[in-house]
Amino acid sequence: DTGVSQNPRHKITKRGQNVTFRCDPISEHNRLYWYRQTLGQGPEFLTYFQNEAQLEKSRLLSDRFSAERPKGSFSTLEIQRTEQGDSAMYLCASSLAYNEQFFGPGTRLTVL
Amino acid sequence: AQKVTQAQTEISVVEKEDVTLDCVYETRDTTYYLFWYKQPPSGELVFLIRRNSFDEQNEISGRYSWNFQKSTSSFNFTITASQVVDSAVYFCALRDAGGTSYGKLTFGQGTILTVHP
Repeated sequence: DTGVSQNPRHKITKRGQNVTFRCDPISEHNRLYWYRQTLGQGPEFLTYFQNEAQLEKSRLLSDRFSAERPKGSFSTLEIQRTEQGDSAMYLCASSLAYNEQFFGPGTRLTVL
Repeated sequence: AQKVTQAQTEISVVEKEDVTLDCVYETRDTTYYLFWYKQPPSGELVFLIRRNSFDEQNEISGRYSWNFQKSTSSFNFTITASQVVDSAVYFCALRDAGGTSYGKLTFGQGTILTVHP
């Protein structure tokens, strides 16, 4: 399978705990995006990497959120001190330059 | 700011009916791209089509067709002879051609399509 992969697929955590998600993009893609999708809504942009550089962050990304893409390959998204409002589907997408973005299956986060 | 509106929240049709999903967008950019994605019950967003703002030719791909009208800022999607497997949430999305947005997508709220046998 050469598509975008995300792990874990599901995460249940208690409020106040830290969680980390991983995204492995399509291998030749240099751009990587994180989006968040809540029930009944379209995905909303969180942050973007070109290779290993994080070039844009949405105002949705509070200081409890941090993302990395070491060596320009996989990426991680960490949420510290989770809140119930963080419950959502976290989607990763990758693209080659400005071509269409291909999405992974997402990580569904539930904060109890 | 960019905005995408999909006014139809849910559509229900019977198999073999034709169905059109509406999408209206707002942008100040003169060059931009429009997309349609499908999100089946499994949850993964599937890319369907990309159109750029300077190409208003309509496109047909099998049972799918797209009608892009710059004058009305609309990019509608028609499924001909719908099938049960077409049941999904469909998203329209907008992206500028570069500049400072780095290619992020702005999505509409989605239209839930249910095709009954």
